[in-house]
Amino acid sequence: AIQMTQSPSSLSAFVGDRVTITCRASQDIGDELGWYQQKPGKAPKLLIYAASYLQSGVPSRFSGSGSGTDFTLTISSLQPEDFATYYCLQDSNYPQTFGQGTKVEIK
Amino acid sequence: QVQLQESGPGLVKPSETLSVTCAVSGDSVTGGPYYWTWIRQPPGKGLEWIGYIHSSGGTNYNPSLESRVVMSLDTSRNQVSLQLKSVTAADTAVYYCARRRLWVTGGYGMDVWGQGTMVAVSS
Repeated sequence: AIQMTQSPSSLSAFVGDRVTITCRASQDIGDELGWYQQKPGKAPKLLIYAASYLQSGVPSRFSGSGSGTDFTLTISSLQPEDFATYYCLQDSNYPQTFGQGTKVEIK
Repeated sequence: QVQLQESGPGLVKPSETLSVTCAVSGDSVTGGPYYWTWIRQPPGKGLEWIGYIHSSGGTNYNPSLESRVVMSLDTSRNQVSLQLKSVTAADTAVYYCARRRLWVTGGYGMDVWGQGTMVAVSS
């Protein structure tokens, strides 16, 4: 199975900060990667698919980039509602595999 | 508006079978095409892909669970079902169903999720 490694596992940031989360795949997955946001007690929510496409309704401060093995999720200006855990998910091979998650907390 | 609603037993005894259903409203389980996907999350931990059943009925399971998992479509009730046999405490988790689709622009994404159902395995 493809291993997905996210970093950092957690971070603290101020409202208004630019935040970057990275995800590395153990093998080439092209652009077949999605990013999901999960708030406590809630289901994950799709933010980005195919590495860089913004899901409908998701604010434009979220963006994704990368291909091959290295991917990035960027939040350009962190808002109070963005404090959550973020997961990457590879869509290239089965079984699909998630990163371990990055918890974004208020500083 | 498509909505998914999981329902489960809440508590299952070790060695028994866990059964969870996902009722789909606003779309057909045979529409799409879609990949009706099951994901689980143990308390305080990350997400694990269990597998999917395609709207055509084909399945693909996580090899780590494959010997114990069965997924099915119930077209009369418009729902998707997950069965996990011979459960242990390690199967205690929130179980989510999600709709995975292929976008016109290319690429896949799970765009609709249920709220999840917590299943504990304990005697």
